[in-house]
Amino acid sequence: EAQVTQNPRYLITVTGKKLTVTCSQNMNHEYMSWYRQDPGLGLRQIYYSMNVEVTDKGDVPEGYKVSRKEKRNFPLILESPSPNQTSLYFCASGRDRVSEQYFGPGTRLTVT
Amino acid sequence: SQQGEEDPQALSIQEGENATMNCSYKTSINNLQWYRQNSGRGLVHLILIRSNEREKHSGRLRVTLDTSKKSSSLLITASRAADTASYFCATGYNFNKFYFGSGTKLNVKP
Repeated sequence: EAQVTQNPRYLITVTGKKLTVTCSQNMNHEYMSWYRQDPGLGLRQIYYSMNVEVTDKGDVPEGYKVSRKEKRNFPLILESPSPNQTSLYFCASGRDRVSEQYFGPGTRLTVT
Repeated sequence: SQQGEEDPQALSIQEGENATMNCSYKTSINNLQWYRQNSGRGLVHLILIRSNEREKHSGRLRVTLDTSKKSSSLLITASRAADTASYFCATGYNFNKFYFGSGTKLNVKP
């Protein structure tokens, strides 16, 4: 089954404790991206990747890091999480940058 | 912001009625896409319309695109309670980023 998986689905953590949210897709997609969704603000792109080892900033990259060492995986790293990073996070992938995007189920992160 | 913006923010209709939601954007686009999100879940792609297309149909969905007005509309005909969800437009630009609007929350009452 074609899918995008994210882990964990729910995470409560404390300020400053480094965390990683994993994302994996099984569709051989080149384009992957991370979004955060906050009430009233819609989805905002954090980072995207055009292919292996090619990543770039989206609209709200501050406080986040990503890597793309393999085509299928695109982890999101929060080196020092802060409460303003409490949000619902989605990973997505697409054949290319203009094709339909397939979304993961989301990761609800709370930083206290 | 280069985001698409949906209008209205919320819409409540009876089952069987048609639902229309609109999207406006600010710069030239490669294509425009519509997505549906059921409460707190991942977005699901509905339909993609290219910048050189004016209208597209998929089942009960009809999408129009007016590039001169930088706007698009999504029409859901004969709505069902299962259509209750948030709907987002997304624009793919000639750059590599992807922009989503803030969504229209549709409630279809049985």
